[in-house]
Parts: sequence; C-alpha cells; structure tokens
Amino acid sequence: EAGVAQSPRYKIIEKRQSVAFWCNPISGHATLYWYQQILGQGPKLLIQFQNNGVVDDSQLPKDRFSAERLKGVDSTLKIQPAKLEDSAVYLCASSSPPLPLGQGKETQYFGPGTRLLVL
Amino acid sequence: QQQVKQSPQSLIVQKGGISIINCAYENTAFDYFPWYQQFPGKGPALLIAIRPDVSEKKEGRFTISFNKSAKQFSLHIMDSQPGDSATYFCAASMEGGYQKVTFGIGTKLQVIP
Repeated sequence: EAGVAQSPRYKIIEKRQSVAFWCNPISGHATLYWYQQILGQGPKLLIQFQNNGVVDDSQLPKDRFSAERLKGVDSTLKIQPAKLEDSAVYLCASSSPPLPLGQGKETQYFGPGTRLLVL
Repeated sequence: QQQVKQSPQSLIVQKGGISIINCAYENTAFDYFPWYQQFPGKGPALLIAIRPDVSEKKEGRFTISFNKSAKQFSLHIMDSQPGDSATYFCAASMEGGYQKVTFGIGTKLQVIP
C-alpha cells in the first residue's frame, strides 16, 4: 500500500513570497489533515477535510493560509504572503472513514512532510 | 493552551535500559491516547495507543501505563536499543466527531551503545 505522498520535500523562499504544498493521501482515505510542525514542537493541526469538505480549520491563519481538496482526493496548502514564523515542516496525514462510536479509532498515516524555510 | 504536557523534552538512555516518557492531560473528554514515533526526515508513525478503560497496554518492548484519576500516562521502552532513537510524541483525542488529535511537545530519545 503506497503511503501519503507530499511534494516538494524542501522549499526555501523569501518573506512575502507565496508557496504551495501538495499532498496525495492513501487511496480510499476520506479524511485528510494538514499539520504545521515547528522545530522542537509537536504537530499542530491546521485544517482537516472529510472528503472535500472542511470539518476543522480553527487553527488555520486564514489571512495568509488557504487549503483545498478538490474532488476529495489530493490537496494543496498555500501560504501567501509567507512570514518568517511560517518556517516549519508541513505534514499531511490521512485516515480511513470514521468508525461508529465505540469501535475504536482509525490511524492517521503521515507523509514525510515539506520542510519550509522563510528567509 | 497546552492540553497535553510531555516530559522530558530530551532523554539519553544506555542500550538495554528503560526509557520513560511522561504525559499529562487536562481535558477529561479525551478518551484515546496514542503515542507516535518520528525519525528525522520522516512523518510521525503510530507506535501504540490506549483507551482510559485499561491501565496498561503492552506491545513488545513498548508499554503504556495509564492513570485516569491523575490524568497521566506514560510510555516505557524496555531494553532500549539504538534503533529506538527518535522523537516520541504523546497525543490525545476525543471519541466521536472527526478525531482531532492534540500532540505533546515531543521527547527526543537517544539510546547510546
């Protein structure tokens, strides 16, 4: 089974520039997540999609970040304009459809991430 | 608000020793507690997980101990090996909904030969 694919793996940009990241989840996984992982911290959820609908974007800085998941498969995350504090690893994860209550939790599978450096 | 507090932030253990990482949570609505392992340049991967209706779960050399009344849980790595050197994250999520996961800050473990 192929894992979660992300590209690019590394990106260096100057502040105020724009950047986009791409994620292709595991085939059949309806839920897709974008996380921001700043060096020395745990991943922080930015946005969560269920198919092509957003179910949680409460921690997404909407003035500069946007994400879409057209057709409910792959997804892009965009930052425009970038700030120095956006330097981080951006992780994409996917999971299978939610199980009924009491039947356990599905596992989130993470991609390798995109390491962004804003100069 | 840091809902899941993790310690220590770094840990050095000799090969064959026991590695212990502790976490505490605040929200009593959390009911699923996974641990993730992350190697450099890789995304986190689920290692082991526990629900609060059990006090301990063991998978190979990895054991989670859970204390519901204290709102604390810990990961024990027995017979630690150099290949266990990685960053470990505890996490918590709630039943139902879309399972938003809250991660701890992470513990960088180094197992020295």
